[in-house]
Amino acid sequence: QVQLVQSGAEVRKPGASLKISCKASGYTFTSYSIHWVRQAPGQSLEWMGWINADNAKTKYSEKFQDRVTITTDTSASTAYMELRSLRSEDTAVFYCARSTGSYYDYWGQGTLVTVSS
Amino acid sequence: EIVLTQSPDFQSVTPKEKVTITCRASQRIGNALHWYQQKPNQSPKLLIKYASQSFSGVPSRFSGSGSGTDFTLTINSLEAEDAATYYCHQSSSFTSMYTFGQGTKLEIK
Repeated sequence: QVQLVQSGAEVRKPGASLKISCKASGYTFTSYSIHWVRQAPGQSLEWMGWINADNAKTKYSEKFQDRVTITTDTSASTAYMELRSLRSEDTAVFYCARSTGSYYDYWGQGTLVTVSS
Repeated sequence: EIVLTQSPDFQSVTPKEKVTITCRASQRIGNALHWYQQKPNQSPKLLIKYASQSFSGVPSRFSGSGSGTDFTLTINSLEAEDAATYYCHQSSSFTSMYTFGQGTKLEIK
């Protein structure tokens, strides 16, 4: 069965960076793209960007473009999302999701990130 | 950026009631509109893809319609387990950028 398993919760100070992993199983990793979504406490879902796992082409939201980098390790069927210059509003749950290029049919369990001094 | 506006933001409903949630896009997006359900402390789950296609395993009481800029998610004969927040999501191929609506929270009385 398809699974996306994300790395565990993180605590960072303002200005720091973090890198979250999303390990895929149960399907051919390079046949789909992986998207990343942020959800602040009590807030809506916010699209951050995506990567084509086949050719590593990326597209980022203008809001995050200067601070985010999405990569893959196809040998490990794993996608990564690095977010830099963390600020308090980055305190959120971050999700990875599998996509055919349109809808998201499988989601990771989410990674809670807390940014606090 | 394509903005999605959902209505209502919140609705309190009784079991067996019919519920309609709307999502309006700021530009025409064809049928590139999808619906998700998110329960507290859970990841979102896909309900409807491409405006009206039910995702595998989703109960038949959930249905979607619309195209262009105006879309609707309908839940027939609401059940207690449908208490959740519902989000619309667009995936316009023209921009390769994606956005979500602000969400509609359903409370079951």
